[in-house]
Amino acid sequence: NAGVTQTPKFQVLKTGQSMTLQCAQDMNHNSMYWYRQDPGMGLRLIYYSASEGTTDKGEVPNGYNVSRLNKREFSLRLESAAPSQTSVYFCASSQQGTNQPQHFGDGTRLSIL
Amino acid sequence: AQSVTQPDIHITVSEGASLELRCNYSYGATPYLFWYVQSPGQGLQLLLKYFSGDTLVQGIKGFEAEFKRSQSSFNLRKPSVHWSDAAEYFCAVGYNTNAGKSTFGDGTTLTVKP
Repeated sequence: NAGVTQTPKFQVLKTGQSMTLQCAQDMNHNSMYWYRQDPGMGLRLIYYSASEGTTDKGEVPNGYNVSRLNKREFSLRLESAAPSQTSVYFCASSQQGTNQPQHFGDGTRLSIL
Repeated sequence: AQSVTQPDIHITVSEGASLELRCNYSYGATPYLFWYVQSPGQGLQLLLKYFSGDTLVQGIKGFEAEFKRSQSSFNLRKPSVHWSDAAEYFCAVGYNTNAGKSTFGDGTTLTVKP
């Protein structure tokens, strides 16, 4: 029972490099999310996808792009990485609806030098 | 706009002692409230949720939370803390009917003393 799977788990980039973080869920959830977690700042929503074929900006979308490839997969791309994007990135999924809890992956720890 | 405040950044309790983590929310409609736990190096795991009905909800790992509308609070409690409860705890309020979006508090880190 995999749940939400994120790859890679760790990555080090140089400033200006690009990278795509992958996320897949096997729970048949409609909604998927990308968050970043920084010390003392909780979770901040980068982008979300309410359903297959739709994506919307969250609280901190600048410097990121997303693709909802199909119902299972939701990727996050950094086109030109900056040190300020050093963070732990979490993917989550849920059924649609305000009362639905989210299910999280184990995160990608990204360092940008 | 909705918001969640967790007033305590860090709490330390002795093993076997009781625990209460505070959460206050701001939301104009009926709130859907959640508590999540995050162990080091892992993602968040749902502890419990409140939607309606009984204001005292039971969760996993012996946790419970009480919804108090008059105080806009949803505090998490455990009668006797175990060393394995050391983790970071997040309160969240669900909003937006088009997606299961939630706003998260900044978290409370729990340290358990032997």
